[in-house]
Amino acid sequence: DQQVKQNSPSLSVQEGRISILNCDYTNSMFDYFLWYKKYPAEGPTFLISISSIKDKNEDGRFTVFLNKSAKHLSLHIVPSQPGDSAVYFCAASSSNTGKLIFGQGTTLQVKP
Amino acid sequence: DGGITQSPKYLFRKEGQNVTLSCEQNLNHDAMYWYRQDPGQGLRLIYYSQIVNDFQKGDIAEGYSVSREKKESFPLTVTSAQKNPTAFYLCASSTLGTSAQETQYFGPGTRLLVL
Repeated sequence: DQQVKQNSPSLSVQEGRISILNCDYTNSMFDYFLWYKKYPAEGPTFLISISSIKDKNEDGRFTVFLNKSAKHLSLHIVPSQPGDSAVYFCAASSSNTGKLIFGQGTTLQVKP
Repeated sequence: DGGITQSPKYLFRKEGQNVTLSCEQNLNHDAMYWYRQDPGQGLRLIYYSQIVNDFQKGDIAEGYSVSREKKESFPLTVTSAQKNPTAFYLCASSTLGTSAQETQYFGPGTRLLVL
């Protein structure tokens, strides 16, 4: 039972355009959501997070949107750069467990 | 220069052999975690520890064992009972806040291969 799903295995965008990565979840108890970026053979790097009391959080080129009613979050990268090419994982946790549940990941390719 | 270190970067295991993966952090984090990543899949939790001398099973603990004798260290042993150990193993750590909304930070990973 996949509680966190990233339905797009890959995404390709042109440099300078917007990248939108999507994530859906099923557990209504999740109240904290994170995005990680991962290069091959390296550990994930934390990008940005959002609490369920918010619907948007912004950090530079990265913005995360949370739609609780739809159980959906998205990561927007504007403008996209070739160095953004990596695998992006969304993850969710609930306050009563603190354990992170990860999606399968989306591979982003930003073309020069 | 604070961070999480994992060693070795690559590890080879023979059939029937136990191997131990090292994870050390100098971030003064209370909690430490072990995940496994397989191709095309997300990270799956093996074991976690929120305090010294205590740890809990994650979702896929069978065939693995851990210890937490020091706050800074959380080694993972892949035993011969783990029938499919080939994977990328990631260690993470976090502080423990009252809200449990804590960000986990990851080490560089260890690639385990079976000979």
